[in-house]
Amino acid sequence: EPEVTQTPSHQVTQMGQEVILRCVPISNHLYFYWYRQILGQKVEFLVSFYNNEISEKSEIFDDQFSVERPDGSNFTLKIRSTKLEDSAMYFCASSVNRGQGAHEQYFGPGTRLTVT
Amino acid sequence: GQQVMQIPQYQHVQEGEDFTTYCNSSTTLSNIQWYKQRPGGHPVFLIQLVKSGEVKKQKRLTFQFGEAKKNSSLHITATQTTDVGTYFCALNDYKLSFGAGTTVTVRA
Repeated sequence: EPEVTQTPSHQVTQMGQEVILRCVPISNHLYFYWYRQILGQKVEFLVSFYNNEISEKSEIFDDQFSVERPDGSNFTLKIRSTKLEDSAMYFCASSVNRGQGAHEQYFGPGTRLTVT
Repeated sequence: GQQVMQIPQYQHVQEGEDFTTYCNSSTTLSNIQWYKQRPGGHPVFLIQLVKSGEVKKQKRLTFQFGEAKKNSSLHITATQTTDVGTYFCALNDYKLSFGAGTTVTVRA
């Protein structure tokens, strides 16, 4: 069964450093998402992406964050200058379509980001 | 945006017993999805409900959407150790807005 993959599984970085989290969505999916989950908390939406542009972003997704689809398979989340509070599990997800009542989103295994 | 609230936050269940987790909203929902996250894992889609009063079953899991489309429930019968994890409801409104989840532990 096709699955979303993410690398690395764990990233440790120092405060102020830039990190890039990588995702390979399911090949025939058109919509891509990033979510984060702070330890013990709920999953929070960051950004959605379609047709090489951001469709929607949350308040969390400030100027320190950016997303890119550099080629036909990868989808990346960049955090320019990490803060301690960016420590969380970051999940990439993809879906065939999008919209109210649309199909499910498929989540990758996540990248645990630890900022020291 | 719309928010969904889940209760209880934690559910400790004796193996073999039934339990129910609830998802509530103050506004009418166009849909509700349920996801399960195993400890250390990622959310996995379980079901989607769209119609008022809809009931769907998956083996020992029964999902219900309220008549007013403001609440949903997940009922698990004869709980097994494989049911351990966090169950989230989520509104799919061009993005997923998750509830806080119900974390289930099972006593063997």
